[in-house]
Amino acid sequence: AQSVTQLDSQVPVFEEAPVELRCNYSSSVSVYLFWYVQYPNQGLQLLLKYLSGSTLVKSINGFEAEFNKSQTSFHLRKPSVHISDTAEYFCAVSVKNTDKLIFGTGTRLQVFP
Amino acid sequence: DTAVSQTPKYLVTQMGNDKSIKCEQNLGHDTMYWYKQDSKKFLKIMFSYNNKELIINETVPNRFSPKSPDKAHLNLHINSLELGDSAVYFCASRPHDRAGEQYFGPGTRLTVT
Repeated sequence: AQSVTQLDSQVPVFEEAPVELRCNYSSSVSVYLFWYVQYPNQGLQLLLKYLSGSTLVKSINGFEAEFNKSQTSFHLRKPSVHISDTAEYFCAVSVKNTDKLIFGTGTRLQVFP
Repeated sequence: DTAVSQTPKYLVTQMGNDKSIKCEQNLGHDTMYWYKQDSKKFLKIMFSYNNKELIINETVPNRFSPKSPDKAHLNLHINSLELGDSAVYFCASRPHDRAGEQYFGPGTRLTVT
């Protein structure tokens, strides 16, 4: 079975500071990896995904994540955060050729001015 | 131009009642899902349908019955509501051949008193 661990339930950070949200997964088979973001009172939105190829993937709003197979990690980073990045961030995995997304418990990123 | 819509947005009801939540997507996707997000933000898949056919049915009480009249709609009917059913329910859909890339609705907050 697959599982996703997000070790940090909350990450407070000041505006323009760098941030890293950690995600580790467990799976005996190959998986796809995802980061979703949930802004207050909204549904989840796909932020970025790793399916294959380059292990570093980037989003249009400055976030990036790196797939590390040996450490079974897919940490999310941003070099300089904005107030508008305040949200809940969910890491997720799905086994290749299946349709089921397994989510982590989420990390609340709180950006302060 | 709403992509995935859900009605109602809020639902407050008493234990023992029967209620339905409706979901519609205008993206032309074949696959739709229902998720439950609990008070700790943990998100878990309940059901998925592909072109009106049930694909995933997680360990969900029989009181929950999804219905897909066509591939653009996936409704969730809940019988004999219990306090533990209080949660936010999200509908989602996925494009064909886009593993894990799901589009979420805004959610329905169900409160059972």
